[in-house]
Amino acid sequence: KNEVEQSPQNLTAQEGEFITINCSYSVGISALHWLQQHPGGGIVSLFMLSSGKKKHGRLIATINIQEKHSSLHITASHPRDSAVYICAVRWSGGSNYKLTFGKGTLLTVNP
Amino acid sequence: DGGITQSPKYLFRKEGQNVTLSCEQNLNHDAMYWYRQDPGQGLRLIYYSQIVNDFQKGDIAEGYSVSREKKESFPLTVTSAQKNPTAFYLCASSIKGLAGGSRDNEQFFGPGTRLTVL
Repeated sequence: KNEVEQSPQNLTAQEGEFITINCSYSVGISALHWLQQHPGGGIVSLFMLSSGKKKHGRLIATINIQEKHSSLHITASHPRDSAVYICAVRWSGGSNYKLTFGKGTLLTVNP
Repeated sequence: DGGITQSPKYLFRKEGQNVTLSCEQNLNHDAMYWYRQDPGQGLRLIYYSQIVNDFQKGDIAEGYSVSREKKESFPLTVTSAQKNPTAFYLCASSIKGLAGGSRDNEQFFGPGTRLTVL
């Protein structure tokens, strides 16, 4: 069964700390997405990547295709970064316009 | 402003009643999707539509129905046959429903509807 695993499940940090959230998947993918879900429930797409590294402001996403692993980093974390971060992948082959989602990582950044 | 709207934000229904959740997008996207989110679980795909007048079952379609009569609208009906309908429902859209890592299939999400069955 194709699976997406995220770690940690919960993460608490102090303002200013460097944050890393991990995502591992079981088989080959064509794309990986990082999403952010705020307490109200709406979801925002942060990154879509299939190789290498992307950066947007204080957020950095990396992916290692050989190791089937991606990381989302947040530099200089801030309480407004508190949210659930979700990893989702599009598998190679088959019906690959569908996404498989991880269970999410709940990040709490304290002032 | 372009975007995806879902209404209502909160919805209550009595057991045994059908209820329809609205999803509208003005992004001119071809593809639209409905997901269900339960506590401690990843989002699961209910139905998707790659183009007007066409839709396909996702992983958990039982007890749900959809229509795609207009490009901008993809309503989801939760029927009385759905055994455990209380959940958070998210609608999404993408430019195309294509294979691969193209930006055309990056999905944009609506704000969600929280359905509670009493």
